[in-house]
This record gives sequence, structure tokens and C-alpha cells, in this order.
Amino acid sequence: DADVTQTPRNRITKTGKRIMLECSQTKGHDRMYWYRQDPGLGLRLIYYSFDVKDINKGEISDGYSVSRQAQAKFSLSLESAIPNQTALYFCATGDNQPQHFGDGTRLSIL
Amino acid sequence: DQQVKQNSPSLSVQEGRISILNCDYTNSMFDYFLWYKKYPAEGPTFLISISSIKDKNEDGRFTVFLNKSAKHLSLHIVPSQPGDSAVYFCAATTSGTYKYIFGTGTRLKVLA
Repeated sequence: DADVTQTPRNRITKTGKRIMLECSQTKGHDRMYWYRQDPGLGLRLIYYSFDVKDINKGEISDGYSVSRQAQAKFSLSLESAIPNQTALYFCATGDNQPQHFGDGTRLSIL
Repeated sequence: DQQVKQNSPSLSVQEGRISILNCDYTNSMFDYFLWYKKYPAEGPTFLISISSIKDKNEDGRFTVFLNKSAKHLSLHIVPSQPGDSAVYFCAATTSGTYKYIFGTGTRLKVLA
């Protein structure tokens, strides 16, 4: 079983819809992260959480929100999806170096 | 302003030869650097890292070199194998922040 599991793996939806991407980990890490990857831009940090009660904005948090339901679970929400949020989304965990990544969610917003 | 740059979007190398992937950074506060490899439909997987107190770190076929004065690091793969074909990302962080800044990636193709 994967250490970092993301669901769904693929999602196509329409502009204005609310979307939730979920991430769970079995590594027992306190720190969890959400990134998005766009062609030619690498991975950019959206939000991160250092423990259940600690949530922080990353460099591109506008239009996103997160929830840390438990140590093992960190979800990312798009409250009202827009087409330029079409991207590959990755969850990662890591208390020390390195961070460990899930296999990603490919999200398309029409 | 991009703090971590990979100026070569792609690289092709013959099997058995050396692959050299480059990465430049601008923030002098970065003190730990990592390379990740990414296959299609998979997440990035950690490959090798280096602390700023070193100038070289080696792990099997993979060696990372760090030139702090030039703010430059490179990943050497010797010998290159077809299975090394992937996108390689460099990442940088400052100790204690636990946040990574990634480069834009270099797609390596190793030709059999």
C-alpha cells in the first residue's frame, strides 16, 4: 500500500463547482503539504500544515482552502472552481528531509 | 521571481554516457538541496540530497555537486540507463522552514 494516498486520481468538473481532493498518509508524519504542478512552472506550494491545529498558506493559496481532519488526513478544497485551476495536484508529507509525495490528482475544470 | 531555476527543459543522452542536469538558485538562505525524479502518472520520488556544508554527495550512479559561490548545483548520472528517462526536479529549502522551492524540471531521455 502507498504511504501517501490521494483521491480521486482524476477529476473533470465544471466551472463554479466545489471540489475536494483528499490525502491520507500512513507514515505518521505531522507535516503535510499541498502542491500544484503546471507545465513549465514546476511544483508550487498551496498550503501546508505542521500539525492538526497548524495551517499555513503557501505561495499560491488564493481560491483554495484546506482541512486537517486528523494527523493522517489533509484535504484541499476549491470552493468555486475556475478553469485556470486545471492542474496536477500533489500531496506530500515529511517531518524531516525528504518530503514524500502521493501520485497526484489530475484535475480538469471546464 | 523564480528562486530555483532549471534552464534546460529537456536533455537527451545515449545509454551508458553521463547525464548532467543543472540547477541554479538565487536565495543565499537555502542550505539544503534535493533532487526528485518523476515518471508519468506518478508522484515525485526522492533521489538524492546535499547539505550546504558539503560540496558533493554520491549514491550509486547518482552524484550531486554543490557550488555555493555560484549558487549552482548539478546532478550527474553515470552510466545513464533507459530507466532513468523521467522529469527531474531540483528543490531547495532553508533549515527549519520545512518548505521546498522547486525548479521547473528537466525532462531526461536516455536513448538505448
